Amino acid sequence: TQLLEQSPQFLSIQEGENLTVYCNSSSVFSSLQWYRQEPGEGPVLLVTVVTGGEVKKLKRLTFQFGDARKDSSLHITAAQPGDTGLYLCAGLNAGNMLTFGGGTRLMVKP
Amino acid sequence: KAGVTQTPRYLIKTRGQQVTLSCSPISGHRSVSWYQQTPGQGLQFLFEYFSETQRNKGNFPGRFSGRQFSNSRSEMNVSTLELGDSALYLCASSFAHGGGETQYFGPGTRLLVL
Repeated sequence: TQLLEQSPQFLSIQEGENLTVYCNSSSVFSSLQWYRQEPGEGPVLLVTVVTGGEVKKLKRLTFQFGDARKDSSLHITAAQPGDTGLYLCAGLNAGNMLTFGGGTRLMVKP
Repeated sequence: KAGVTQTPRYLIKTRGQQVTLSCSPISGHRSVSWYQQTPGQGLQFLFEYFSETQRNKGNFPGRFSGRQFSNSRSEMNVSTLELGDSALYLCASSFAHGGGETQYFGPGTRLLVL
């Protein structure tokens, strides 16, 4: 069974601070996706990273895929209250199925 | 374009009963995947249907089943409900099949088993 471990599980920060969320596995994934989920809604895809070492930026969010395609990180610069939510990483395995991490619940206080 | 819709949004059942959840994908999408989300286990893949055929299945007991209709709408059924089946059940649709396709999630059906 391929597992994805996310850390931290919970994060409470003040508006304007920076943060990094990690997604680690001992398995190799062909690609990795990051989602954000808000209360009462389903997850929404933020980005997909495919190539080892790839870095993608989405406004204040920076996503990185590890060189060995086993881990990924999400860095948020100058967090805002609107960034509050559950962040999920998901790896695509050889069986063409997604394995989700446990999630990081982020709260950004004004 | 309308998003993925799921009905009902909330459901309360008792142990031993069965339940059927419905998912209508985005128009033109032919793949529907189902997931179970719980605080303890997170988001876990149940199964995927494409063109009325189950393409992938996660590690869940046979009490969990699904089907897809010719209009791509999908239903999932859970028989002999257990307390541990209480969860948010999410469906996601995509144009083609496979986890690598961009999946669009519905708001989920929250099931409480008493």
